[in-house]
Amino acid sequence: AQSVTQLGSHVSVSEGALVLLRCNYSSSVPPYLFWYVQYPNQGLQLLLKYTSAATLVKGINGFEAEFKKSETSFHLTKPSAHMSDAAEYFCAVSDRASGSRLTFGEGTQLTVNP
Amino acid sequence: NAGVTQTPKFQVLKTGQSMTLQCAQDMNHEYMSWYRQDPGMGLRLIHYSVGAGITDQGEVPNGYNVSRSTTEDFPLRLLSAAPSQTSVYFCASSTTGTNQPQHFGDGTRLSIL
Repeated sequence: AQSVTQLGSHVSVSEGALVLLRCNYSSSVPPYLFWYVQYPNQGLQLLLKYTSAATLVKGINGFEAEFKKSETSFHLTKPSAHMSDAAEYFCAVSDRASGSRLTFGEGTQLTVNP
Repeated sequence: NAGVTQTPKFQVLKTGQSMTLQCAQDMNHEYMSWYRQDPGMGLRLIHYSVGAGITDQGEVPNGYNVSRSTTEDFPLRLLSAAPSQTSVYFCASSTTGTNQPQHFGDGTRLSIL
């Protein structure tokens, strides 16, 4: 069975500061990993995905994530936070056994302070 | 592009009532799914479908039914609403495959009194 743990349900940063959102996964087979963002009263949008082609994945809006197999992690980073980055972020995992089914983490609410 | 369309956006029901949440996609995606989102619990899979005529249960299927008579539509039925089903419901679709991103609707906010 696969699972995802997001460390920190709330993260607060200042505008211009580094954003680091943590995600650790558990999967018995090579995983496929995703980060989604949810703005208030909207559905989820894909930020980026890892599919084994490269360990450092670049996404939209300046975000990137690094797959570290030894740490079973897929943390999301952005060098400089903008006010518009305030949203809830979800890490999700699938694998060959689960097919298209995603297992989501609990989510991390990002607040950006002026 | 409409993408994934969910109706209604908001609904209030009384305990015991039934209703259907509608989901339609115009991207010819084979895979469709329903999730519920509750605070601090992320999104949990209710039911999913890999194509017309094929459905299966997810993590939290009790109290919900689905059918998939066409590729475009995937309605979710609450048989007898309970307060525990108060949640935000999201429909998603994708092409079939383990690394395919899912496209989400804007959600239906459902309150059961």
